Amino acid sequence: VVTQEPSLTVSPGGTVTLTCSSSTGAVTSGYYPNWFQQKPGHAPRALIHTTINRHSWTPARFSGSLLGGKAALTLSGVQPEDEAEYFCLLYYHGAWVFGGGTKLTVL
Amino acid sequence: VQLVESGGGVVQPGRSLRLSCVASGFNFETYGMHWVRQAPGKGPEWVAVIRHNGSNKHYRDSVKGRFTISRDNSKNTLYLQMDRLRVEDTAIYYCARDPDTFDVWGQGTMVTVSS
Repeated sequence: VVTQEPSLTVSPGGTVTLTCSSSTGAVTSGYYPNWFQQKPGHAPRALIHTTINRHSWTPARFSGSLLGGKAALTLSGVQPEDEAEYFCLLYYHGAWVFGGGTKLTVL
Repeated sequence: VQLVESGGGVVQPGRSLRLSCVASGFNFETYGMHWVRQAPGKGPEWVAVIRHNGSNKHYRDSVKGRFTISRDNSKNTLYLQMDRLRVEDTAIYYCARDPDTFDVWGQGTMVTVSS
């Protein structure tokens, strides 16, 4: 089971960290953590792959890391358009498992 | 770079459906591909992956023995054959590129399993 915070709230311009934990133990780079953003009515959009790597279209304010045995997505200088649901994805020996998602509110 | 899914629809439990995903704008035969689904109001759920040459396939447990992922590199097309469909298979089905980064997604095709 992959677990994320169900919801978080952040002020515009602020910083927030979303985490992704595994029921099997500490998340490492071997789980190839991916992060996705999804807005209502749209397909998920890839943000971060293999723990820390941004895609070419991913704004620099999004960063991936490992933090305290979890995968983490940090948004620095949050913009109103960052309000969305965020999903992590971990690799388990041939299979992939999504987290339940974090609904991020920018308020 | 584009992925376009098709083949969704309304089907009764126990019946079959085949989804297609046509790729364009990139060298399809060099990329592994995934199917991911998302039930209404729920998070995404990984379904299956196939390597670039079709040699290696993996499935989530709940679809093993019922779903088959395949590809035709000469047609730049990915398939998902879904047999013995269940109500809980109802979802938008997306194809996604690249075995490790899921970098490009299609717009999805809706599958509704209902009597």
